[in-house]
Amino acid sequence: ELKVEQNPLFLSMQEGKNYTIYCNYSTTSDRLYWYRQDPGKSLESLFVLLSNGAVKQEGRLMASLDTKARLSTLHITAAVHDLSATYFCAVSRTGTASKLTFGTGTRLQVTL
Amino acid sequence: NAGVMQNPRHLVRRRGQEARLRCSPMKGHSHVYWYRQLPEEGLKFMVYLQKENIIDESGMPKERFSAEFPKEGPSILRIQQVVRGDSAAYFCASSPSSGTGNTGELFFGEGSRLTVL
Repeated sequence: ELKVEQNPLFLSMQEGKNYTIYCNYSTTSDRLYWYRQDPGKSLESLFVLLSNGAVKQEGRLMASLDTKARLSTLHITAAVHDLSATYFCAVSRTGTASKLTFGTGTRLQVTL
Repeated sequence: NAGVMQNPRHLVRRRGQEARLRCSPMKGHSHVYWYRQLPEEGLKFMVYLQKENIIDESGMPKERFSAEFPKEGPSILRIQQVVRGDSAAYFCASSPSSGTGNTGELFFGEGSRLTVL
């Protein structure tokens, strides 16, 4: 069974600070996704990482994938309040099309 | 281009009643997925469907839950004889058919929030 773990589960950080969210998964996969969810809302796709060593950046967020270590990171640079949300990573097992297994989520709170 | 459409957005049912949740995928998408999210938890896979076919239902409870994606019309997730533990947000997602350029990314609807009294 594919397991996906995120840490931390909850993160409170001040505006302007940097931090990294980690996503570990338990079996071979070559596709990893990051989503954002605001309270009571749907999931918004942030990044799609399709190969070992992939790195993508959008604004203050940067995601990377190391398939050998089965690890992805989501790095936040100079956090702002608008980034407060829950962030999920999701993994598809190689050969299972788009069926995604989600991590438990990291609830990020950016304070002034 | 409309996104994934789900309805109803909110549904209240009493124990023992039936709940029907509908999902229309994005235009051009032929794959539909249903996920359940309990409060303060991640999303759990329930079922993956293509038109008129259930591809993977490994996450569906064995009883009371069923899903379909008919040739015409939306996909429907049906929960019979609801119990309080069924209270959750049910999200539908869609993706294009497999092929070159398909990244496997899922596009999610706004969700249907079921409350069982």
